[in-house]
Amino acid sequence: QQQVKQSPQSLIVQKGGIPIINCAYENTAFDYFPWYQQFPGKGPALLIAIRPDVSEKKEGRFTISFNKSAKQFSLHIMDSQPGDSATYFCAASEGLGGYNKLIFGAGTRLAVHP
Amino acid sequence: EPEVTQTPSHQVTQMGQEVILRCVPISNHLYFYWYRQILGQKVEFLVSFYNNEISEKSEIFDDQFSVERPDGSNFTLKIRSTKLEDSAMYFCASSVDRAEQYFGPGTRLTVT
Repeated sequence: QQQVKQSPQSLIVQKGGIPIINCAYENTAFDYFPWYQQFPGKGPALLIAIRPDVSEKKEGRFTISFNKSAKQFSLHIMDSQPGDSATYFCAASEGLGGYNKLIFGAGTRLAVHP
Repeated sequence: EPEVTQTPSHQVTQMGQEVILRCVPISNHLYFYWYRQILGQKVEFLVSFYNNEISEKSEIFDDQFSVERPDGSNFTLKIRSTKLEDSAMYFCASSVDRAEQYFGPGTRLTVT
């Protein structure tokens, strides 16, 4: 119930391609869904986040699509660049109040080839 | 841009020793967290802290772990008697509201 399932485990695209990373959840109480980007040896960096009252959110080249009925959400990276090569984690949290734990997916290692 | 800082960046300790990992959250943030990431695995929640007390902890956060905000700016994680399986990256995070959590660069803990 508390899990967030992420796929694929790894992804290779050519520069300019549009990698898509998918996540699914079971807990309908989840109401906040962020994506984090992590470079080797660094902490996760908040990239973009969505709440279930919208179906899509765009920030720059990054887009989250959210399907509440299917309990799925995905990250699309437009015009991907070699600098986007990193591990991407989806996450989810629930409830009101300010101290909600993030439940992370297993991560997707993205490689963007020049 | 304000950021979460953590010290040390790498800590090597012997099994059974106590370690203290330190974090300075972003100054106007009210909610503090520790997470860990075993090499190659996902990030796992350890504990959240608000208003000078633990608000939630995971099953990983057993009696060997404790957290403290000793002086209004630092936030520490203490492991009383380290085990080999405590070897991981430990991340501190903070947030001003219930949503956006900002992570520090992490402390790599190696228990030998």
